[in-house]
Amino acid sequence: GENVEQHPSTLSVQEGDSAVIKCTYSDSASNYFPWYKQELGKRPQLIIDIRSNVGEKKDQRIAVTLNKTAKHFSLHITETQPEDSAVYFCAASTGAGGTSYGKLTFGQGTILTVHP
Amino acid sequence: EAGVVQSPRYKIIEKKQPVAFWCNPISGHNTLYWYRQNLGQGPELLIRYENEEAVDDSQLPKDRFSAERLKGVDSTLKIQPAELGDSAVYLCASSLAPRHSYNEQFFGPGTRLTVL
Repeated sequence: GENVEQHPSTLSVQEGDSAVIKCTYSDSASNYFPWYKQELGKRPQLIIDIRSNVGEKKDQRIAVTLNKTAKHFSLHITETQPEDSAVYFCAASTGAGGTSYGKLTFGQGTILTVHP
Repeated sequence: EAGVVQSPRYKIIEKKQPVAFWCNPISGHNTLYWYRQNLGQGPELLIRYENEEAVDDSQLPKDRFSAERLKGVDSTLKIQPAELGDSAVYLCASSLAPRHSYNEQFFGPGTRLTVL
């Protein structure tokens, strides 16, 4: 089955700096890669996702890159703000056609702390 | 649009007692997921439904866990009897059917279970 590794486990930055979180996956059939943000005691919320037919996607201060050859994808947050502090999870899944389509396999999470 | 609804939000029980969690997905979402999230880790899939059919229950500990989605809408996850190691947050998520598309999953607030 799919295995997703996420690094680093904790990340501390100063407000205004950039933050980068990296994930690798094992199943070459995976073609959908969402990122979730989870604040303490709250539900995971989708912040951005990328499909395997594109290499990069950007939404304001958040961007995700995907390298299918190397089987890794990354989350980039620019101009970080204290409210970006949360746990971030990457995940991988197969879309239509995969034998385990619809199953999200999550990374272990990254605790991001943005200091004012 | 209402999000995924779960109840109860918190549950404290003694070991060997039964417990049940309820989930109401986003209207129109055919696919429903139950995840377990242990402290400091990413969610792990327990079972996935498409309409009323359980299409992936390979990670569900069937000796004590059961789930149902009788009319293809609401779902109930049950544990009987509960063990100390079952303490976790149980998350429900829903999505449109992934059969023909990538599946953006939307999570409920979760039920935090504490087994004493």
